[in-house]
Amino acid sequence: GDSVTQMEGPVTLSEEAFLTINCTYTATGYPSLFWYVQYPGEGLQLLLKATKADDKGSNKGFEATYRKETTSFHLEKGSVQVSDSAVYFCALSTNAGGTSYGKLTFGQGTILTVHP
Amino acid sequence: DTAVSQTPKYLVTQMGNDKSIKCEQNLGHDTMYWYKQDSKKFLKIMFSYNNKELIINETVPNRFSPKSPDKAHLNLHINSLELGDSAVYFCASSGQLNQPQHFGDGTRLSIL
Repeated sequence: GDSVTQMEGPVTLSEEAFLTINCTYTATGYPSLFWYVQYPGEGLQLLLKATKADDKGSNKGFEATYRKETTSFHLEKGSVQVSDSAVYFCALSTNAGGTSYGKLTFGQGTILTVHP
Repeated sequence: DTAVSQTPKYLVTQMGNDKSIKCEQNLGHDTMYWYKQDSKKFLKIMFSYNNKELIINETVPNRFSPKSPDKAHLNLHINSLELGDSAVYFCASSGQLNQPQHFGDGTRLSIL
């Protein structure tokens, strides 16, 4: 079945540090890939997405590139802020038919804490 | 206006009780979902409805019963609550299958 693996957290950084959160996946079919962010006490918000190989999703200074050859979708930001502290989820959704269509499969989430 | 709204936000109840969580979306989306987030933040899909029709039903105890009275609503009823049901339940919706999903703020269910 489909699966998503994220780097273990928690991740603690100082403000303005460089961030990488690794994400790899296995999937049947040709998945769309997503990063969602969950701020404390809130629901998930879509951060960025990519729907085909070599697509780069970007938003709020975050970027991730869909790498089919390495089945990866690593999240990066050049300079993090305290306000980026949240839980980050990598997810995939396949284009296969049947009951998996439209289902998001999430990674286990990575807690990011940014200190001033 | 809130796009996906869930009520209640918090639900504290005794083991063995029956409770419902309501979800409404005003985005005009065709597909709605229920997810469960455990204490370690792991998210797993429970159900999905497309145009009021059940399309995803993961391995969930039959004490959990989703109901979709119309395209904009997907409610979750839970019978005979157990300690292991304590979690945060998220409702979500999307315009088409396989498109980004919009999430509600969650319902934190605590079983005493």
